[in-house]
Amino acid sequence: KAGVTQTPRYLIKTRGQQVTLSCSPISGHRSVSWYQQTPGQGLQFLFEYFSETQRNKGNFPGRFSGRQFSNSRSEMNVSTLELGDSALYLCASSPDRADYEQYFGPGTRLTVT
Amino acid sequence: AQTVTQSQPEMSVQEAETVTLSCTYDTSESDYYLFWYKQPPSRQMILVIRQEAYKQQNATENRFSVNFQKAAKSFSLKISDSQLGDAAMYFCAYSIGGSNYKLTFGKGTLLTVNP
Repeated sequence: KAGVTQTPRYLIKTRGQQVTLSCSPISGHRSVSWYQQTPGQGLQFLFEYFSETQRNKGNFPGRFSGRQFSNSRSEMNVSTLELGDSALYLCASSPDRADYEQYFGPGTRLTVT
Repeated sequence: AQTVTQSQPEMSVQEAETVTLSCTYDTSESDYYLFWYKQPPSRQMILVIRQEAYKQQNATENRFSVNFQKAAKSFSLKISDSQLGDAAMYFCAYSIGGSNYKLTFGKGTLLTVNP
């Protein structure tokens, strides 16, 4: 079974631009969670999607949004990029919301200049 | 709010030796899970071991075992017979039962394994 894939792996954007990151979960997994990883704040939960609906959201501004498609693939969007948005963005999938093991993708490294 | 604290930013161990990584957490929940995740330099986060709070027996996975002290809210990871491939960042994480899609992570411990 293929693992969680994220595209692109690396991205460089300019302040003020917007960006879209993609996550394809493991086949059959319906829950997709997103995390932001920075040296200062560590790993922080962004949001979770299940059956195309955002079920939970972390403490991030409205510039961070996402969606999930019927095939469970998920995208996250960051608008009006700020320098502080530079981070590794990880997505994780699991079969269901209560499953204790999340399978992580390799991440997308976003650099905002 | 739940918090997870890893007090050791860095640790090192000699190959074949044993090392223990510390983690404490704070929660008022009774149903929760604790995890240790490993993030090697390639960045792919991998689950090492998990512990259900309702289980008194400490979890073990091959060379990895935990010391779960529920009253003290402590959850340490012991790696026996350390191997070069164990070198990675280790994160302690917590989730509320039934909501395991949302992990709260500690800041991590960077483990170096010396040959």
